[in-house]
Amino acid sequence: GAVVSQHPSWVICKSGTSVKIECRSLDFQATTMFWYRQFPKQSLMLMATSNEGSKATYEQGVEKDKFLINHASLTLSTLTVTSAHPEDSSFYICSARGDRYNEQFFGPGTRLTVL
Amino acid sequence: SQQGEEDPQALSIQEGENATMNCSYKTSINNLQWYRQNSGRGLVHLILIRSNEREKHSGRLRVTLDTSKKSSSLLITASRAADTASYFCATDARTNAGKSTFGDGTTLTVKP
Repeated sequence: GAVVSQHPSWVICKSGTSVKIECRSLDFQATTMFWYRQFPKQSLMLMATSNEGSKATYEQGVEKDKFLINHASLTLSTLTVTSAHPEDSSFYICSARGDRYNEQFFGPGTRLTVL
Repeated sequence: SQQGEEDPQALSIQEGENATMNCSYKTSINNLQWYRQNSGRGLVHLILIRSNEREKHSGRLRVTLDTSKKSSSLLITASRAADTASYFCATDARTNAGKSTFGDGTTLTVKP
């Protein structure tokens, strides 16, 4: 299967700062990337869908001004958590789907801890 | 509501026993995938089964899909302590713009 990477794998930041998480498709072009959030002992919840070159589509209840998504190229999408607060502490996972594959491939996730 | 729902929520077995987890979903799907997640770690893709398939095997894993009942099962045979993890099913619905929807997962504990 295809490989999706995320960077960083974990990050600790102070409340009020912004954090950027990168999601890369390493061996295929990802026309669509998805961002998920997972709180402890819970399932993955879809936050937004991003298509290369267009604005992301956010799920209901997800603040687009707080979670900025950029999908500027076919291999890279970024999620920026702006003015992070402790309640934003979570595991953020991206996935990518490309025209070469009919399935989603998931990144390893980024654990964000906001102090 | 969640598209995929797994049961049981938690399962505890002895090493060597088989573990069966079930997943039910609500709408028509293109495919269904099973993932494993160790505590605090990312997802590991286990197996994908397409809507026109009924059964797939991969090592000690056996997945079945019954589209008439909108359900899938994951069987892990001869379980090992290393199989201890949470297991999720994710459905790729035909009318969901390519999104996958995850169930709440089954937490499997395999005792040595």
